[in-house]
Amino acid sequence: KQEVTQIPAALSVPEGENLVLNCSFTDSAIYNLQWFRQDPGKGLTSLLLIQSSQREQTSGRLNASLDKSSGRSTLYIAASQPGDSATYLCAVQTDSSYKLIFGSGTRLLVRP
Amino acid sequence: DAGVTQSPTHLIKTRGQQVTLRCSPKSGHDTVSWYQQALGQGPQFIFQYYEEEERQRGNFPDRFSGHQFPNYSSELNVNALLLGDSALYLCASSTKVQGLQPQHFGDGTRLSIL
Repeated sequence: KQEVTQIPAALSVPEGENLVLNCSFTDSAIYNLQWFRQDPGKGLTSLLLIQSSQREQTSGRLNASLDKSSGRSTLYIAASQPGDSATYLCAVQTDSSYKLIFGSGTRLLVRP
Repeated sequence: DAGVTQSPTHLIKTRGQQVTLRCSPKSGHDTVSWYQQALGQGPQFIFQYYEEEERQRGNFPDRFSGHQFPNYSSELNVNALLLGDSALYLCASSTKVQGLQPQHFGDGTRLSIL
């Protein structure tokens, strides 16, 4: 049974810091991995999608890496800003059905 | 281009009642998935509809049922509501036609059970 874990559960950093969020999964047979952002009381916004054959994806200040063999992914946020404050969720898709298995998320607070 | 829309935004019910939540997928999407997100947790997959049929189901009891209409919109029905059903219910849409694409989520329906 696939399980997804995110560490840390919460993180508080001063503005401008580079930071790394971690995601681990128990079964390396994944179809893809996605990182989402969720603002309080809102839905999920897709940030990055990494296919199983890829090692990383980049979008602006965000970079996500994938190491299937070790069952890990990291989301790197460069030069953090207060507007980056949100919950970041990692999810794996195990087949082409679009069913996602989520971690519990990391709550990020970027202090001005 | 309208994204995924869900209604209502908030809903308050009492134990034992029944509720229907609605979702309109993003234009061009034909697959709808429903998720339950308890406070402080990640979303849990309930089920997925494609071509008006339930294609996959997560570990949820039969009290949770759904429907997909010919225009691809979808409903989630929950019978005999329990306090533990209080959660944010999220709808996600996608398309099997275009291959690998990120799913699009709505803002959810916040369901509170008293």
